[in-house]
Amino acid sequence: QVQLQQWGAGLLKASETLSVTCAVSGGSLSGYYWIWIRQSPGKGLEWIGEINHSGNTNYNPSLKSRVTVSADTSKNQFSLQVTSVTAGDTAVYYCARGRGRGTRMGVWGQGTTVIVSS
Amino acid sequence: QSVLTQPPSVSGTPGQRVTMSCSGSSSNIGVNSVNWYQQVPGTAPRLLMFNSNQRPSGVPERFSGSKSVTSASLAISGLQSEDEADYYCTAWDDSLNSRVFGGGTKLTVL
Repeated sequence: QVQLQQWGAGLLKASETLSVTCAVSGGSLSGYYWIWIRQSPGKGLEWIGEINHSGNTNYNPSLKSRVTVSADTSKNQFSLQVTSVTAGDTAVYYCARGRGRGTRMGVWGQGTTVIVSS
Repeated sequence: QSVLTQPPSVSGTPGQRVTMSCSGSSSNIGVNSVNWYQQVPGTAPRLLMFNSNQRPSGVPERFSGSKSVTSASLAISGLQSEDEADYYCTAWDDSLNSRVFGGGTKLTVL
């Protein structure tokens, strides 16, 4: 059974770079889409971006200039970086596995809480 | 402002049937499948319905989904207290080239 285990720095200062990594166990990166979602306090879910098995990426247009999603097949993990963070980036960040572009996300990580202080 | 529109809240009593809607447009729900997620506060979302009306293994038959043109619905019959959670719809938007979500519906079991 595929599981996603994620980690990253929980407290950042404004203008720093957010970095969260998600390790895949029980399966490989091949053949799937690897997705990042976030949820600000008391708010709904927001798609950040994703990378597919070919290394192609798609990003939320509102975040595109600051976001990078990458994958390391040798370590069987994928990562999210968000540059120049502000308080508005304070959220729980989730990684997830999808079967294709826009398709269902059947496996989720446990979430990583990131707080940005000014 | 979410691209998909969901009612902020719905409620029902145990045993009742409740429905919640998800309204989109011709660039998302109108041409792509809808997926639904259930989120109990403090936990990660869980896939509840995919391809508009398909249940993943482990999801009770009490949950059902449908889609018509640019809207989708999630129905829960035989409501149980454990169904109290937030529910989100999502689809791919061909115009935005993005996954888009509804704002979520909070289900309260009275």
